[in-house]
Amino acid sequence: AQSVTQLGSHVSVSEGALVLLRCNYSSSVPPYLFWYVQYPNQGLQLLLKYTTGATLVKGINGFEAEFKKSETSFHLTKPSAHMSDAAEYFCAVRDQTGANNLFFGTGTRLTVIP
Amino acid sequence: GAGVSQSPSNKVTEKGKDVELRCDPISGHTALYWYRQSLGQGLEFLIYFQGNSAPDKSGLPSDRFSAERTGGSVSTLTIQRTQQEDSAVYLCASSPGTGGSEQFFGPGTRLTVL
Repeated sequence: AQSVTQLGSHVSVSEGALVLLRCNYSSSVPPYLFWYVQYPNQGLQLLLKYTTGATLVKGINGFEAEFKKSETSFHLTKPSAHMSDAAEYFCAVRDQTGANNLFFGTGTRLTVIP
Repeated sequence: GAGVSQSPSNKVTEKGKDVELRCDPISGHTALYWYRQSLGQGLEFLIYFQGNSAPDKSGLPSDRFSAERTGGSVSTLTIQRTQQEDSAVYLCASSPGTGGSEQFFGPGTRLTVL
């Protein structure tokens, strides 16, 4: 079965600083990996995903993530934080054994300090 | 185009009552998922529909929970004899296929059981 661990339930960065949100996964087969963002009182929006091919994937709003098989990681980064990046971020791995449902991490709430 | 819609956006009910939550997926999407988002539990998979196949109910927490999908489109999640621990945000997602396909999420229904 798949699982996801997000280190740090809360992360605070200054505006303009690097954003690094950590995600480690567990999967017995090559995973599909996703990062979603959730703004207050809204549903989840896909930031980026890794399926196959290039291990560095770029998403919306300047975010990117790198799939590192040897480290079983898929950390999310953004070079320069913006106030509008304040939200909750969820890493997810897709179940390839049947339902194709997503297994989510517990989320990381990002605060951007002006 | 229209995204995934859910109704109602908020539902307050008394313990022991039954509730129905509705999801309208994106037109043409064959896959539909229900998730539950609650404090301390993160996002949990509940049930998955794919086309005309039998649904995967492996994530339903008890037999008080059931769901159906009529005509391969609209889905209803029913919770019978609601309990306070059922209070959560119920999210619906749809997807054009499986594999690495993105799941598009609705805004959710916030259920409060008094």
